[in-house]
Amino acid sequence: ETGVTQSPTHLIKTRGQQVTLRCSSQSGHNTVSWYQQALGQGPQFIFQYYREEENGRGNFPPRFSGLQFPNYSSELNVNALELDDSALYLCASSLVLWGANNEQFFGPGTRLTVL
Amino acid sequence: GQSLEQPSEVTAVEGAIVQINCTYQTSGFYGLSWYQQHDGGAPTFLSYNALDGLEETGRFSSFLSRSDSYGYLLLQELQMKDSASYFCAVLSNDYKLSFGAGTTVTVRA
Repeated sequence: ETGVTQSPTHLIKTRGQQVTLRCSSQSGHNTVSWYQQALGQGPQFIFQYYREEENGRGNFPPRFSGLQFPNYSSELNVNALELDDSALYLCASSLVLWGANNEQFFGPGTRLTVL
Repeated sequence: GQSLEQPSEVTAVEGAIVQINCTYQTSGFYGLSWYQQHDGGAPTFLSYNALDGLEETGRFSSFLSRSDSYGYLLLQELQMKDSASYFCAVLSNDYKLSFGAGTTVTVRA
């Protein structure tokens, strides 16, 4: 157990809808990153938040957005869902932005299916 | 951008040693991490190398050569519970962690 939780566990949406996924980081972890993992692939970096500000973004369109809150929770919002958005969405938190080993603690993920 | 290459599958017997190689191309390299992921589970951190050389953590060791853009994860004394996917991931100085496609390790009795 990493102490990182995500909700919901599973979600089914239809194309064009909007979705919000939630993550609760370990207490004291100022950094949270979100990843998309398609079946049989490695996680793909979406973006990272540090102290409630976005400070890094991968190759994802603007319809992927996020927020980080002072209580160590965060959310990922996806607008205008497409079929290819079907994937496992992972959040990961870390204690500091740059650390001795840069260990990230992953949550169990949210499985999103877009029909 | 970043690109990472690692073998897609490795099979070995219990007690054996497995080496998973990872080559990468990246700008702004900061370090190389390794993560383990069991089916249906979350990735869990195994090791991190920022400098050249070998890092040992129990049965697992990780190596990095920055000049060769190469690293490996060594799994020793394989156990059935080591059957999982293993990912190398490059940390770059723009705060991005880029994962490879993963290596599926199957341990047979």
